[in-house]
Amino acid sequence: QVQLVESGGGVVQPGGSLRLSCAASGFNFIVSGMHWVRQAPGKGLEWVAFIKSDGSEKYYADSVKGRFTISRDNPESTVYLQMNSLRVEDTAVYYCAKDKIWGYFDYWGQGTLVTVSS
Amino acid sequence: EIVLTQSPATLSLSPGERATLSCRASQSVSSNLAWYQQRPGQAPRLLIYDASNRATGIPARFSGSGSGTDFTLTISSLEPEDFAVYYCQHRSNWPPLTFGGGTRVEIK
Repeated sequence: QVQLVESGGGVVQPGGSLRLSCAASGFNFIVSGMHWVRQAPGKGLEWVAFIKSDGSEKYYADSVKGRFTISRDNPESTVYLQMNSLRVEDTAVYYCAKDKIWGYFDYWGQGTLVTVSS
Repeated sequence: EIVLTQSPATLSLSPGERATLSCRASQSVSSNLAWYQQRPGQAPRLLIYDASNRATGIPARFSGSGSGTDFTLTISSLEPEDFAVYYCQHRSNWPPLTFGGGTRVEIK
């Protein structure tokens, strides 16, 4: 069965950095696009970033562009989100999600909480 | 950026009743719309994609309709596990991908 397991969340000060990881299993990772989606406490869902199966295309929400970087390691079936210059408003649960037919999310991880606070 | 507006914000119904949730797009998204269910403390789950196609393992009581700017998610007869928050999301001319603000279906 499909499994997505995020890790790397925690508490960080404003201006700091974190790297999230998402380990995938149970599907053909090397042909699947992957997304990061976040949810601030008590709020709705916000798409953050996407990476194509071979890493050749990457897209970002304007709110994170220039600060966050998505990458992947296909032999390790892992996708990453490098988050720099973190702001208080980046506080959220971050989910990785498998892409379905270019723009939907058909499988989600359990999420990892990132708290940006001084 | 395409804005999705969901209504109502909260729907209070009893088990066995029919739920009708609405999602309106700020411009046409054709049929490029999905619905997700999120139960408390859980990740979202894909219910419907391309406006009317049920995802794998989704019960037949869930159905989606609409195209262009107006979409509906219908739950024909609410089960106890259906009380949750529902989000619509488009994939038309992205990035960005955007979600609606959500509709909470609560027990009356």
